[in-house]
Amino acid sequence: EVQLVQSGAEVKKPGESLKISCKGSGYSFTSYWIGWVRQRPGKGLEWMGIIYPGDSNTRYSPSFQGQVTISADKSISTAYLQWSSLKASDTAMYYCVRHGLGGNYYMDVWGKGTTVTVSS
Amino acid sequence: QSVLTQPPSASGTPGQRVTISCSGSSSNIGSNTVNWYQQLPGTAPKLLIYSNNQRPSGVPDRFSGSKSGTSASLAISGLQSEDEADYYCAAWDDSLNVVVFGGGTKLTVL
Repeated sequence: EVQLVQSGAEVKKPGESLKISCKGSGYSFTSYWIGWVRQRPGKGLEWMGIIYPGDSNTRYSPSFQGQVTISADKSISTAYLQWSSLKASDTAMYYCVRHGLGGNYYMDVWGKGTTVTVSS
Repeated sequence: QSVLTQPPSASGTPGQRVTISCSGSSSNIGSNTVNWYQQLPGTAPKLLIYSNNQRPSGVPDRFSGSKSGTSASLAISGLQSEDEADYYCAAWDDSLNVVVFGGGTKLTVL
């Protein structure tokens, strides 16, 4: 079964750092782009950026460039999303997604999400 | 404010056919294919339609998608109570170099 398994919920204080993970299984992890999608409480979906685990080629949405870092370790089929200094506005659900083949950018596999709460 | 425009809500009775619209521009829907996602309450979104009108394996044929110019539509026929969810359209935007989403449409089955 193709799946993305995300790390558990996090509660952090403003200014702290955080790295959440997404482990792929059931498919060739290095052959598909992995992306991250943010959903703030009660709000819609926002695409943050993607990484190609095969060569770590990474692209960011301008809205998130410089705010987060996307990385991957292909040896353990895991992608990461990290912050160096969290803000209250980073409070959200974060989904990792697999982008399907063909250049369409559709997201055919979704993780269950990681809730990040930033509060003093 | 989302780049793609969807109605915030839609509703229908069981068995009815409902459509959800998604309006964009030449840099997104006008030049790229549209994908639709279904988010049931409290769960992660799921791919419903890709490449304008293709259904992934396991998605009932009650769901269909279409695109014309800079707009797209999702149609749900034979509406069922389990279709109550949020629906999002999405497409690549050539100007912004990002995937853009609609704001989402909350479908209520009366």
